[in-house]
Amino acid sequence: EAGVAQSPRYKIIEKRQSVAFWCNPISGHATLYWYQQILGQGPKLLIQFQNNGVVDDSQLPKDRFSAERLKGVDSTLKIQPAKLEDSAVYLCASNWGAGLTDTQYFGPGTRLTVL
Amino acid sequence: AQSVTQPDIHITVSEGASLELRCNYSYGATPYLFWYVQSPGQGLQLLLKYFSGDTLVQGIKGFEAEFKRSQSSFNLRKPSVHWSDAAEYFCAVGAGFEGANNLFFGTGTRLTVIP
Repeated sequence: EAGVAQSPRYKIIEKRQSVAFWCNPISGHATLYWYQQILGQGPKLLIQFQNNGVVDDSQLPKDRFSAERLKGVDSTLKIQPAKLEDSAVYLCASNWGAGLTDTQYFGPGTRLTVL
Repeated sequence: AQSVTQPDIHITVSEGASLELRCNYSYGATPYLFWYVQSPGQGLQLLLKYFSGDTLVQGIKGFEAEFKRSQSSFNLRKPSVHWSDAAEYFCAVGAGFEGANNLFFGTGTRLTVIP
């Protein structure tokens, strides 16, 4: 079974530029998550999708971050404009259902460096 | 509010020695508890999880964890560490509300294994 795919794996941009990350969850997984992991910290949830609807985006900085999952499968996370403090690894995860008992499977992440 | 504390930032053990990684959580209700491992360049992989029942849970790769409600702890253990166990370990507490399933991660413990 293929895992969660993310691209690109690495991205370097200058502040005020825009950037987009892509995630393809495990086939059949209805729920998709985006996490931000700053160096030295644990991952922090940014947004949760159930199929193509947003369940929780309370920690998403909506003035600069946006995410979509139009067809209920793959998803994109965008930052515009980027700030220095956005330097982090952005992790995508997915699981079958909507419950905490369903294991979340994580992708390898995209490491973003903002200069 | 829910939170997780991992008091040890970095632990070094000799190969073959036993291991215990500490995790303390704060959560008002019965917690859903998880341990994940992150190897360099890899996504997070679930080691084990606790929802209810037997307070000693077995996971993959020979790991186990014990839930102690009185101490608000969920420490991870392994009787004999292998060099391949060197990685970052994250404890997380799950909180579900209004359909959202949020994992709150600790800051992680980096494990170094010396020959």
